[in-house]
Amino acid sequence: SQTIHQWPATLVQPVGSPLSLECTVEGTSNPNLYWYRQAAGRGLQLLFYSVGIGQISSEVPQNLSASRPQDRQFILSSKKLLLSDSGFYLCAWSGQGVSPLHFGNGTRLTVT
Amino acid sequence: AQSVTQLGSHVSVSEGALVLLRCNYSSSVPPYLFWYVQYPNQGLQLLLKYTSAATLVKGINGFEAEFKKSETSFHLTKPSAHMSDAAEYFCAVSDPASSSASKIIFGSGTRLSIRP
Repeated sequence: SQTIHQWPATLVQPVGSPLSLECTVEGTSNPNLYWYRQAAGRGLQLLFYSVGIGQISSEVPQNLSASRPQDRQFILSSKKLLLSDSGFYLCAWSGQGVSPLHFGNGTRLTVT
Repeated sequence: AQSVTQLGSHVSVSEGALVLLRCNYSSSVPPYLFWYVQYPNQGLQLLLKYTSAATLVKGINGFEAEFKKSETSFHLTKPSAHMSDAAEYFCAVSDPASSSASKIIFGSGTRLSIRP
């Protein structure tokens, strides 16, 4: 069966520090991969999605970036964190076409 | 463009009572529709999905939803609430004709509380 791993579960970082969140998927090949952000009391905001290695689409301009160095690995990065980057970050995968999203357990990021 | 509206950011029901969470969508084409549940500090879990087959869709944990094209609605129901149903629920819509990247649009969520 397919599984998705996301780490770390929680992270506290100072303003201006770099960020790297990692997500890996097992049990499937060539998944679509996604990064979402969920601010407190708000819905999900799609940040990035990828249909293949090295192919990244950005939905919202910001100081975050994403990379997909391997088929089942998706990384969210920032060179310098802002206070507004605090939130709950969720990685997800889906099959090809319109299929449901399968989410990781999320990373709670607090920028201080 | 597609959108989804969840009426009521917070719904509270008594244990054993009917659960009704409302979702209305806007789409220029027949959509695919989803309900997800999120427990505190966890990711979202798929409850059920509508993909143009039967209009009444049964999901996990005793939940079901009915697609009503005339009302552009996809409300989530459960006959008898259980304390373990307390969570955040998200309705989502997707265009079946989308490209290979499944761009699912989420509603703002409804927090369900269960009173003992």
